[in-house]
Amino acid sequence: DGGITQSPKYLFRKEGQNVTLSCEQNLNHDAMYWYRQDPGQGLRLIYYSQIVNDFQKGDIAEGYSVSREKKESFPLTVTSAQKNPTAFYLCASSVEQGAELFFGEGSRLTVL
Amino acid sequence: RKEVEQDPGPFNVPEGATVAFNCTYSNSASQSFFWYRQDCRKEPKLLMSVYSSGNEDGRFTAQLNRASQYISLLIRDSKLSDSATYLCVVNIWTGKLIFGQGTTLQVKP
Repeated sequence: DGGITQSPKYLFRKEGQNVTLSCEQNLNHDAMYWYRQDPGQGLRLIYYSQIVNDFQKGDIAEGYSVSREKKESFPLTVTSAQKNPTAFYLCASSVEQGAELFFGEGSRLTVL
Repeated sequence: RKEVEQDPGPFNVPEGATVAFNCTYSNSASQSFFWYRQDCRKEPKLLMSVYSSGNEDGRFTAQLNRASQYISLLIRDSKLSDSATYLCVVNIWTGKLIFGQGTTLQVKP
């Protein structure tokens, strides 16, 4: 089945540790996105990529990093510089930038 | 002013009621619009795209008013299963998709 796979679904980390969230898609989509959602809030854009080897900062990129070495993969690293990393992280893809988004099931990160 | 704004609600309605949500956007050059549904602790899922002429999908009707810069979602004959958060999404001219805060709907028996 075509879709987007995020892993892990739940992750607990100690303060000061970097963590990497995986996002893989087999939809052959060019554009991929990372969003963050806090309780009772909408989604905020962290990073997006329109094409392999290219990515752009979203509205809240500080403390995060990404790579896009393959079309199928867009991993997100939450670094120790991110002041409040506990959140629900959602990866999405679209056939082209600005088109309908397809989401993975999300990763819940809790920093203790 | 936020780029995309929604009334967070909650909207509490009885089964069978008709309910409408609005979503305003600030960038007049915005190009495409969507409504997503999000259930508690789940990922958002596309409910419907919003076309200039308005569009309908069963009990759901979406409309776009470019002059006043808002989109709307109308749900007729509400079901218990319609209880969720409805997210408005706007593609601003740069191609970024911006989400509203979401409107929570609770349909009561």
